[in-house]
Parts: sequence; C-alpha cells; structure tokens
Amino acid sequence: AQSVTQPDIHITVSEGASLELRCNYSYGATPYLFWYVQSPGQGLQLLLKYFSGDTLVQGIKGFEAEFKRSQSSFNLRKPSVHWSDAAEYFCAVGVPGTYKYIFGTGTRLKVLA
Amino acid sequence: DTGVSQDPRHKITKRGQNVTFRCDPISEHNRLYWYRQTLGQGPEFLTYFQNEAQLEKSRLLSDRFSAERPKGSFSTLEIQRTEQGDSAMYLCASSSGTGDGYTFGSGTRLTVV
Repeated sequence: AQSVTQPDIHITVSEGASLELRCNYSYGATPYLFWYVQSPGQGLQLLLKYFSGDTLVQGIKGFEAEFKRSQSSFNLRKPSVHWSDAAEYFCAVGVPGTYKYIFGTGTRLKVLA
Repeated sequence: DTGVSQDPRHKITKRGQNVTFRCDPISEHNRLYWYRQTLGQGPEFLTYFQNEAQLEKSRLLSDRFSAERPKGSFSTLEIQRTEQGDSAMYLCASSSGTGDGYTFGSGTRLTVV
C-alpha cells in the first residue's frame, strides 16, 4: 500500500535560517507529489507539486522541493525562513489512476525571532 | 471565484444528534473530495465525487456517514447519531484533475460533547 512518511514531527529554526523538511513515500512508480501548508484552524494551501520533468520544483512563498527517485524522497526547502512560515507542513502522494491523496502526519515548524 | 467554501466553520453537537456540513467547490472543478483530520494527523480520505457521481468511499466512512452532490455543484456530508470519536476537522477540496492538486476549504470543526 502507498504510504507517506514525514520523520520530523516538530522542527524549530531561527528566522533567516535555511529549512529542509523531509518526506519519503512508498510506491512502485513515480506518483504525483505535493507539499501543503496549514495554518492553525485553517484548511491546507498547496505550496508546490511534482509529477514529471525537472526534479527541482519551485513553489509559492519561496519554497522549493527536490524529487529523488533513488531515495523515494521529496524534501521541501527554503533558503531563508520568515516568521510567517510557522505552520504545519504536509507532504502528500497522489497515485495515478486513483482519486485520492495520501497525506503524511505533518511537520510542525516553529520559527524563533 | 472565491475558492472552496465550507459551512459552518464550527459545530458543537451533543452525542447522538445528526449534523450536516456543506461544501461549495470552485465552480469549474468537477471533482470534489471530503477528508477528515484529527489532531496531530494528516487528512484522511473519506469520499470522492466526479460531478454528481460518488465514485469512491473510504472504509473509514461508516454507515452513519452519507455524502451527496445532487447537481454536481455543492456537496453535503451528514453524520447521523454522532459519537465523540467523530470530533475532527472535516475538510472539503476540489480539483479539475488528479495531478492538479486540491484546493481545500477552511474546514468545519466538529466537536461532539
């Protein structure tokens, strides 16, 4: 069965520092891959997506993610974190030919001033 | 277009009561999804509509849950005889294709007391 693992439950970084959030998936072929961000009490907002082509994808709010097939990973990065980036981040997998996405359990990001 | 709208934002109900939530998707999206999110978890798939047809239901969706999308536009999710374990955030999302990524609403937070 398909699964998504986000190994870091909480991450704390200082404002201006770089950020990397990890995501690993389990699926035989290349699925659709997504990163979403959720602010407290809100729905999820799509940051970026990958399903083919260039393995480095750019998203909104200065985020990027790199797909590495050999590691079954799709890690999210940002070179300089802003206090407003504090939120929960979810990695998701969409299996081609099905309708649903499978979400990881999320990584809660805290940003220190 | 104002995005995906969900109503109400919050609902507190007594155990055993019935509740109904509404979702208005982005008008040009023919795909509509319901997900449930509990504290500390990622969203879990509940059901999927393509236009008015309900094409997939999760095994998470017990017989007490029913969803409709009568004219392929808005959708309702009803929970009968609510239980405390139904307390969660219920998220609606819409899309125009599996690889496009979802647009989520802000969710309905249900508390069963």
